[in-house]
Amino acid sequence: ELKVEQNPLFLSMQEGKNYTIYCNYSTTSDRLYWYRQDPGKSLESLFVLLSNGAVKQEGRLMASLDTKARLSTLHITAAVHDLSATYFCAVTPNAGGTSYGKLTFGQGTILTVHP
Amino acid sequence: GAGVSQSPSNKVTEKGKDVELRCDPISGHTALYWYRQSLGQGLEFLIYFQGNSAPDKSGLPSDRFSAERTGGSVSTLTIQRTQQEDSAVYLCASSERLVAETQYFGPGTRLLVL
Repeated sequence: ELKVEQNPLFLSMQEGKNYTIYCNYSTTSDRLYWYRQDPGKSLESLFVLLSNGAVKQEGRLMASLDTKARLSTLHITAAVHDLSATYFCAVTPNAGGTSYGKLTFGQGTILTVHP
Repeated sequence: GAGVSQSPSNKVTEKGKDVELRCDPISGHTALYWYRQSLGQGLEFLIYFQGNSAPDKSGLPSDRFSAERTGGSVSTLTIQRTQQEDSAVYLCASSERLVAETQYFGPGTRLLVL
């Protein structure tokens, strides 16, 4: 069974600081997704990482994928209040089975950025 | 263009009643997914459709849950004889194809079973 674990689960940051959220998963996969969720809202896609070594950046967020270590990171640079949200990573197994396409999510990281 | 839409946005029902939740995917998206989000269980996969067929029903919590998709478009998730533990937000997502595509999520249906 595919397991996805994020840490930390709670992150309180000061504006202007940097931090990293980690996402570990338990089975072979080269497809990893990062989503953002604001309170009471649905999930917004941030990044799709499709190969080992993939790195994507959007504004103050940068995501990377190491499929050998089964690890993805979401790095936050110079945090601002608008980044406060819950961040989820999700993994889908590699092609070849009926579970392909099914996303297994991490527990989510609740990020609060304060002055 | 229009995103994924779901209806109703909120549903309150009594234990033992049946409920139907509807999802309209993004036009042209062949893959459609149902998830649910609850405090105790986080985000869980329920079922996905490729076209009108559902290759993986392993996520459905019990035989009270069923889903169908017709015409490669709208999908309905039905919960029969609802129980309090069914209370959750039911999220629908769609993607252009099944393979390595971003899944775009709808706003969800909040279900409360009294």
